[in-house]
Amino acid sequence: RKEVEQDPGPFNVPEGATVAFNCTYSNSASQSFFWYRQDCRKEPKLLMSVYSSGNEDGRFTAQLNRASQYISLLIRDSKLSDSATYLCVVNRDDKIIFGKGTRLHILP
Amino acid sequence: NAGVTQTPKFRVLKTGQSMTLLCAQDMNHEYMYWYRQDPGMGLRLIHYSVGEGTTAKGEVPDGYNVSRLKKQNFLLGLESAAPSQTSVYFCASSSSLSRSYEQYFGPGTRLTVT
Repeated sequence: RKEVEQDPGPFNVPEGATVAFNCTYSNSASQSFFWYRQDCRKEPKLLMSVYSSGNEDGRFTAQLNRASQYISLLIRDSKLSDSATYLCVVNRDDKIIFGKGTRLHILP
Repeated sequence: NAGVTQTPKFRVLKTGQSMTLLCAQDMNHEYMYWYRQDPGMGLRLIHYSVGEGTTAKGEVPDGYNVSRLKKQNFLLGLESAAPSQTSVYFCASSSSLSRSYEQYFGPGTRLTVT
């Protein structure tokens, strides 16, 4: 089983809709969690960290469920500019593991 | 600040040729990384460095060498390129390996080995 798993998508979502996707991790010793965004043919960039209590940044909400070992990303009122690949990143013992990413297409 | 820069942006090599990819960062970061990204494989760590003069192997180090002679630069070398090394190579840097850190990526180098 891979240490970090994501549904590759693509998720095709109409503009203005809400979309959510999850990322599961296999090692319960994982310590910190992040979502990165990668636009087509560009470098990954940090979108947000994920805290146990959940955190929100504008239209984006990230949640961590340690019991079930997954993190989630919710995007409300989606915009065309949200189209990208979203990478789940897990930190364990100073080792960084990237998920393969979930592709999101926002449709006009 | 330029952040993280990579040279070159594109390169085509023939099998057996050698080349060096240069990564430079101007954020005074201690930690630097080289990744490769292939379709369906995600980002895979090749080598990393926790400070000037130090390097360590990542997940897929075979066929690559690295050097960190200056804090701001991290070089990735391919001694004898193979078609399997066709990929997009990203360099990244971070200020620490602590729990809450952010990796800053360069724009990538697209390498094709024929």
